[in-house]
Amino acid sequence: DVKVTQSSRYLVKRTGEKVFLECVQDMDHENMFWYRQDPGLGLRLIYFSYDVKMKEKGDIPEGYSVSREKKERFSLILESASTNQTSMYLCASSSDKPESGTEAFFGQGTRLTVV
Amino acid sequence: RKEVEQDPGPFNVPEGATVAFNCTYSNSASQSFFWYRQDCRKEPKLLMSVYSSGNEDGRFTAQLNRASQYISLLIRDSKLSDSATYLCVVNEGAAGNKLTFGGGTRVLVKP
Repeated sequence: DVKVTQSSRYLVKRTGEKVFLECVQDMDHENMFWYRQDPGLGLRLIYFSYDVKMKEKGDIPEGYSVSREKKERFSLILESASTNQTSMYLCASSSDKPESGTEAFFGQGTRLTVV
Repeated sequence: RKEVEQDPGPFNVPEGATVAFNCTYSNSASQSFFWYRQDCRKEPKLLMSVYSSGNEDGRFTAQLNRASQYISLLIRDSKLSDSATYLCVVNEGAAGNKLTFGGGTRVLVKP
């Protein structure tokens, strides 16, 4: 089974703190994604990466950065946390190989509260 | 216009009934399509991929209409456990196989 693991289920941080959300996948997937999910807004793509050290902005990258130094790990960084970044953060990974399926597999989510 | 749009619902469905709903997408170059299910406070999980010819998995049937740019999901003989949010996902086929999600359709199956 594909496993995508996010470092924390619940996190509470103070405004202005630098926050790291970590995601690790064990299926050698090329692609990794960070989404946030808010009531009424659905899943919105923050950043994605299709290779080590490669990153692409999603729909709402402002206030975030990412790092992919190793294939299995994709980190989301909130440079200076703000209350409007309180949300559920979901990491996902997918393969580029059609023969193995290109659907995304999700981690369990991190519910971040910024106070 | 959103890239992937869904009716948010909720669709209130009597147990045993059939329910169907659509998802429209704007990028005609989109290459692959999926339906995900998400339960409250849980992560989305793949329900089924959607193939050009349409496909069926038990009580679930997915269809793709490229000409009109929509996909559909039909659930037959609804069970109480089918209550969830169903997310439409489109792979635009760009570098990294960017996946774009619809806002989800909430289905509530009632006895």
